[in-house]
Amino acid sequence: GQQLNQSPQSMFIQEGEDVSMNCTSSSIFNTWLWYKQDPGEGPVLLIALYKAGELTSNGRLTAQFGITRKDSFLNISASIPSDVGIYFCAGRRSQGNLIFGKGTKLSVKP
Amino acid sequence: NAGVTQTPKFQVLKTGQSMTLQCAQDMNHNSMYWYRQDPGMGLRLIYYSASEGTTDKGEVPNGYNVSRLNKREFSLRLESAAPSQTSVYFCASMRVVNTEAFFGQGTRLTVV
Repeated sequence: GQQLNQSPQSMFIQEGEDVSMNCTSSSIFNTWLWYKQDPGEGPVLLIALYKAGELTSNGRLTAQFGITRKDSFLNISASIPSDVGIYFCAGRRSQGNLIFGKGTKLSVKP
Repeated sequence: NAGVTQTPKFQVLKTGQSMTLQCAQDMNHNSMYWYRQDPGMGLRLIYYSASEGTTDKGEVPNGYNVSRLNKREFSLRLESAAPSQTSVYFCASMRVVNTEAFFGQGTRLTVV
């Protein structure tokens, strides 16, 4: 079954705010991937991380491969309305297939 | 660039009916995957094909069969659909097994 804990499950953003989410595992991972899914679409790859401690940016998005190799973080700076959607982390151990977190749903504050 | 193409996009089946979901990729990737996505469950692997000519079970293979028709195409078959198979199905491809996955747009299947 699922071995990744992704948090928070959901969050509300106001335009301009910074957003943080993370994934943790009890196992060591060799690869961390972050995806975004818009309604009615498939997940789209945002950032790929392959080395412990690695910090990679893609525009306003920054992701880090945790030093312990058991976690990863995604930050979105200065959020905009089109950032809403579901963000998934995915990890891979030395053996086995990619494992996906259950997602963090980003919505706009009412 | 089409990437990963899935057909159909939507389907309603009656319990017991069969159908095949089609997937094709034009990125010359070796590995192809079928996932299902259910609310609150994330993406769960049904079957995968690490390379042409091979297929393996994933986390939730019961009730499904697959065929890797050639390097481009990987189909998922439901022989006797059940309401528990109501889900959104995604096909994905990877250059080689367990590198970055690229997803299709999904097939929304309802079994009544």
